[in-house]
Amino acid sequence: DIQMTQSPSTLSASVGDRVTITCRASQSISDWLAWYQQIPGKAPKLLIYKTSNLENGVPSRFSGSGSGTEFTLTISSLQPDDFATYYCQQYNSYSRAFGQGTKLEIK
Amino acid sequence: QVQLVQSGAEVKKPGASVKVSCKVSGYTLSEFSIHWVRQAPGKGPEWMGGFDPEQGKRIYAQKFQGRLTMTEDTSTDTAYMELTSLRSDDTAVYYCANGFWYFDIWGRGTLVTVSS
Repeated sequence: DIQMTQSPSTLSASVGDRVTITCRASQSISDWLAWYQQIPGKAPKLLIYKTSNLENGVPSRFSGSGSGTEFTLTISSLQPDDFATYYCQQYNSYSRAFGQGTKLEIK
Repeated sequence: QVQLVQSGAEVKKPGASVKVSCKVSGYTLSEFSIHWVRQAPGKGPEWMGGFDPEQGKRIYAQKFQGRLTMTEDTSTDTAYMELTSLRSDDTAVYYCANGFWYFDIWGRGTLVTVSS
């Protein structure tokens, strides 16, 4: 099965900062990658699919890039609502594996 | 507005089974491809299985083969997930979600606690 590894596990930042989260796949997944945001006690929310496509209603400060085995989620200017946990998910293979998450904290 | 409405929290003993429901509101079940994803405390989500509209059948993650059964009742627009032979490490929030490769609409989740 394909394994997804995110880094860092925790990221401390301030409102207005530009932040980048990395997701690595154990083998190539082409561009079949999605990103989710999860607030404690809530379900994950789809942000991006197929590496760089923004889901309807997601602010343009979110962007995704990458291909093959390395991918990034960038938030260009952090807003208070962005402090949450972020997960990547591959869908190149049947298993649809998620990463272990990156918690974005207020510095 | 489209919603996936899940059943309430459950507490089960090891070895028991649990059945969680997910009712589609605002659309009909036939317009959705319902999958199940669980999330253990402090862990990332884990895909369990769902409906493959291209093959017209349910597909299961290998890890849950033999313990997981997914069904649908189109008369009530409700999907069900039943997990048997529960163990303590099955303690998790169980979500239903719409999609096939990725998931754009999620239920609020159902906490299943397995404890003796």
